[in-house]
Amino acid sequence: AQSVTQLGSHVSVSEGALVLLRCNYSSSVPPYLFWYVQYPNQGLQLLLKYTSAATLVKGINGFEAEFKKSETSFHLTKPSAHMSDAAEYFCAVSDTYGGSQGNLIFGKGTKLSVKP
Amino acid sequence: EAGVVQSPRYKIIEKKQPVAFWCNPISGHNTLYWYLQNLGQGPELLIRYENEEAVDDSQLPKDRFSAERLKGVDSTLKIQPAELGDSAVYLCASSLVGVRGAPSEQFFGPGTRLTVL
Repeated sequence: AQSVTQLGSHVSVSEGALVLLRCNYSSSVPPYLFWYVQYPNQGLQLLLKYTSAATLVKGINGFEAEFKKSETSFHLTKPSAHMSDAAEYFCAVSDTYGGSQGNLIFGKGTKLSVKP
Repeated sequence: EAGVVQSPRYKIIEKKQPVAFWCNPISGHNTLYWYLQNLGQGPELLIRYENEEAVDDSQLPKDRFSAERLKGVDSTLKIQPAELGDSAVYLCASSLVGVRGAPSEQFFGPGTRLTVL
């Protein structure tokens, strides 16, 4: 069965600093991986997704993630944090490969705080 | 384009009372999802519809939870009777599932925050 583990429930960075949010996955088949962002009192919004086309995936708002099969990781990064990046971030894996639409299995989330 | 609409945004009820949540997906999206999000946790799937058919309801507690998606558009999730442990955010999402291949993007509504007293 597929699963994801997000290391660190809370990450704090200074404005302008590197953002690194960690996600490790477990999957018996080649995975589809996603990062979502959730702002307070809002639904989740897709940041980026990995679908086996390229290992370095660029998303919205300057975020990117690199798929590393050897490390079973899909960490999310942004070179320079902005105050508006403060939110909760969720890593997710699809529980099927190809074929029919799968369900998303989410991690517990990492809350990002950005200090001025 | 309008996003996924959910109502109410907030609901406070006493335990043992019934409650219902409504979701209007993005126009044309054939797949609809209901998720449960507990505080400090990621969303967990309750039920997934493809058009009118519930194709995955394995995580729906059927003794007290029910859902319907009439005409393959709007959906309602009901809890009867509610328990204290049902306090959470209930999220609705929709997607357009087409050809076989990579999963389609799911678009989420803002959720309904339920408080059971």
